[in-house]
Amino acid sequence: QKEVEQNSGPLSVPEGAIASLNCTYSDRGSQSFFWYRQYSGKSPELIMSIYSNGDKEDGRFTAQLNKASQYVSLLIRDSQPSDSATYLCAVDPGGYNKLIFGAGTRLAVHP
Amino acid sequence: DTAVSQTPKYLVTQMGNDKSIKCEQNLGHDTMYWYKQDSKKFLKIMFSYNNKELIINETVPNRFSPKSPDKAHLNLHINSLELGDSAVYFCASSQGATAGQPQHFGDGTRLSIL
Repeated sequence: QKEVEQNSGPLSVPEGAIASLNCTYSDRGSQSFFWYRQYSGKSPELIMSIYSNGDKEDGRFTAQLNKASQYVSLLIRDSQPSDSATYLCAVDPGGYNKLIFGAGTRLAVHP
Repeated sequence: DTAVSQTPKYLVTQMGNDKSIKCEQNLGHDTMYWYKQDSKKFLKIMFSYNNKELIINETVPNRFSPKSPDKAHLNLHINSLELGDSAVYFCASSQGATAGQPQHFGDGTRLSIL
């Protein structure tokens, strides 16, 4: 059983729309959650972290966490073609900062 | 100024050889990691060191041996390379090893085994 699950996509949205990326995790005791963006052939880049239930906003990005449902999501408002990348959900189940990554969702924003 | 730097960027070698990858961070972080990203883009942790001490050692073949000469450096030596070792290896660092510390990644080393 996968510990962190994401829809592989591709998720295709038009420029200017809201992109919604979802992630579920299996370890109920997980406390820290991260979203990374990875362009093709590049390294993962941290874009959001969230630690408590609710929403956290940073510019065009909003992370949402629901620990009861073991669900974390990332919303990207006013999507731009430059947002086209693979988005990796990462969960820290606790202890030594060991991140468990999902397989990633590929987002394609078309003009 | 590159925060987490890895060398080499590309490594092409034959099966059975031994190779090393080096990683350095100038962020002043205490904790460093090695990850493997396979052809399906699945990123999986291999090792972690906190202030030169091994704290995470996942189920990785003994052919892989990490070494941290100081907290700014973490190297990965691989013996008797196999075809299945072909992947991108990422080094990362974080402020500390407690839960919730954001990790920052290097540019990766693309290892290809012929």
